[in-house]
Amino acid sequence: AQKVTQAQTEISVVEKEDVTLDCVYETRDTTYYLFWYKQPPSGELVFLIRRNSFDEQNEISGRYSWNFQKSTSSFNFTITASQVVDSAVYFCALSEAWGGGGADGLTFGKGTHLIIQP
Amino acid sequence: DSGVTQTPKHLITATGQRVTLRCSPRSGDLSVYWYQQSLDQGLQFLIQYYNGEERAKGNILERFSAQQFPDLHSELNLSSLELGDSALYFCASSPHGGEEQPQHFGDGTRLSIL
Repeated sequence: AQKVTQAQTEISVVEKEDVTLDCVYETRDTTYYLFWYKQPPSGELVFLIRRNSFDEQNEISGRYSWNFQKSTSSFNFTITASQVVDSAVYFCALSEAWGGGGADGLTFGKGTHLIIQP
Repeated sequence: DSGVTQTPKHLITATGQRVTLRCSPRSGDLSVYWYQQSLDQGLQFLIQYYNGEERAKGNILERFSAQQFPDLHSELNLSSLELGDSALYFCASSPHGGEEQPQHFGDGTRLSIL
């Protein structure tokens, strides 16, 4: 069965600090997809990034970067020069390929509550 | 704005009652998903529809049911409500329901059972 672990329940940093959110996953499939979503205080879920299991290249988008390492089954998310607007709950999620025996829905971690203090 | 519309935004009802949550997917998306977010269980996948047909089931209770209509909107029906059903219910959509496709979420319906 697939599983996503976000061990950090809550992280609090001061604005402009860099912060890394950890995500560790478990799956038996060789083809799978990893996602990060952001849930700001207003409650909606916002898609941030998708990564497939065959692409281990790191990705950078502005102040956001993602580090995918199959060897450690991790897909970590780093925010550089954090801002107050980054305060939210961040979810890592996993989806297995069709036919893998699991549902097509996303398996989410418990989320990391990130607090950026001014 | 994700393009996924959920109504109502808030719903307050009593134990034993039945409610219907509604979702309109993004324009062009054929697949709809329902999720439940609660404090103790986190975000859990309930059920997926693709072009009107049920495609996958997750942790959906027998008291809950869903359907997707020809115009692709979907409804989630919750019956014999219990206090533990209080949660935020999300609908998401994707173009073809493939695992590689990001799901785009609506703003959710917050259900409170008194």
